Amino acid sequence: GDSVTQMEGPVTLSEEAFLTINCTYTATGYPSLFWYVQYPGEGLQLLLKATKADDKGSNKGFEATYRKETTSFHLEKGSVQVSDSAVYFCALRNTGNQFYFGTGTSLTVIP
Amino acid sequence: KAGVTQTPRYLIKTRGQQVTLSCSPISGHRSVSWYQQTPGQGLQFLFEYFSETQRNKGNFPGRFSGRQFSNSRSEMNVSTLELGDSALYLCASSLERGLGQETQYFGPGTRLLVL
Repeated sequence: GDSVTQMEGPVTLSEEAFLTINCTYTATGYPSLFWYVQYPGEGLQLLLKATKADDKGSNKGFEATYRKETTSFHLEKGSVQVSDSAVYFCALRNTGNQFYFGTGTSLTVIP
Repeated sequence: KAGVTQTPRYLIKTRGQQVTLSCSPISGHRSVSWYQQTPGQGLQFLFEYFSETQRNKGNFPGRFSGRQFSNSRSEMNVSTLELGDSALYLCASSLERGLGQETQYFGPGTRLLVL
């Protein structure tokens, strides 16, 4: 079945460090790929998305590129801030319109 | 435009009881999906409703059910509660189903604790 695997956390970085959170997926066809962010006590918010191979989603300094050949959608940010501390979820929506989420990666950025 | 709202925000029940959770989607959104979020399992898809019809269902027992009303509001019911049902239940809405790539917008969730 379809699935999403993302790197285990927690991740702790110093402010202005480079961030990478790995995400790989298993799905037939061409799913859409998403990164969601969940701040403490809140629901999930869409961070970025990509709907076809080689698309790059970007928002708030975060980027992720849809790599069909490696079935990956790694999240990156060049310089993290304390306000980026949250849990990040990678997700796919398959051709049957079902969503699958990774288990989430907790990020803490320290000043 | 108001976001997705869920009520109640917090709930405490005991084993064997039943519970009903409510979700009001963003105005104009017709698709509503429900998810269970737990520390061990992450987010797991429960079901999706579109125009009052269940269109997708995840791998949950029949104790979990839902419905959608003509105004797109949705309810989720869990009967005969078990300790393992303690979780954050998230509702998400999207504008249309069937476009294949539609973005979901999440509510803040209802945190259910089963004692």
